[in-house]
Amino acid sequence: GNSVTQMEGPVTLSEEAFLTINCTYTATGYPSLFWYVQYPGEGLQLLLKATKADDKGSNKGFEATYRKETTSFHLEKGSVQVSDSAVYFCALSGGSGGYQKVTFGTGTKLQVIP
Amino acid sequence: DAGVTQSPTHLIKTRGQQVTLRCSPKSGHDTVSWYQQALGQGPQFIFQYYEEEERQRGNFPDRFSGHQFPNYSSELNVNALLLGDSALYLCASSFFVDPLNTEAFFGQGTRLTVV
Repeated sequence: GNSVTQMEGPVTLSEEAFLTINCTYTATGYPSLFWYVQYPGEGLQLLLKATKADDKGSNKGFEATYRKETTSFHLEKGSVQVSDSAVYFCALSGGSGGYQKVTFGTGTKLQVIP
Repeated sequence: DAGVTQSPTHLIKTRGQQVTLRCSPKSGHDTVSWYQQALGQGPQFIFQYYEEEERQRGNFPDRFSGHQFPNYSSELNVNALLLGDSALYLCASSFFVDPLNTEAFFGQGTRLTVV
């Protein structure tokens, strides 16, 4: 079945530092890949997505590239802000699970300090 | 547009009781999915409803059941509550026909505590 593995947190960075959160996946076929963000006390928001190999998803300065050869979808941002503090979830749909079901990783908590 | 709305926001129940959680999807969406998010974990898929039928189900026992109404809103029912059912329950809505190009919108969730 489908699965997602992402780096454990928490990750603590100073403001304006470079961010990388690693994510790898296991799925058959050609899944769609996502990054969701969860701010304290809130639900999930879709941050970015990529639906085929070599696609780059980007939003709010964050970006991730769908790498089928390494089954990875690492999240990066060049300069983080305090307001980026949240929990980030890598996720996928498709493959053996069907496109209507989303499989999530365990989440990585990011804390950005001034 | 109010987005996905869930009620109640918080709930405390006693072990063995039954609970019903409610979800109204985003306007224009016809599919509702439910997820359980335990503390410190990622959301786990429970099941999905489209056209008032359960279309797909995750690895959850039959104590978890649901319903979708003609207006696309949905309920999640959990019977014989266990302490381990304590979690944040998230509802997501989407458009069934074109899942690849339709973002799934999540509600704020219902925090269920079983004591």
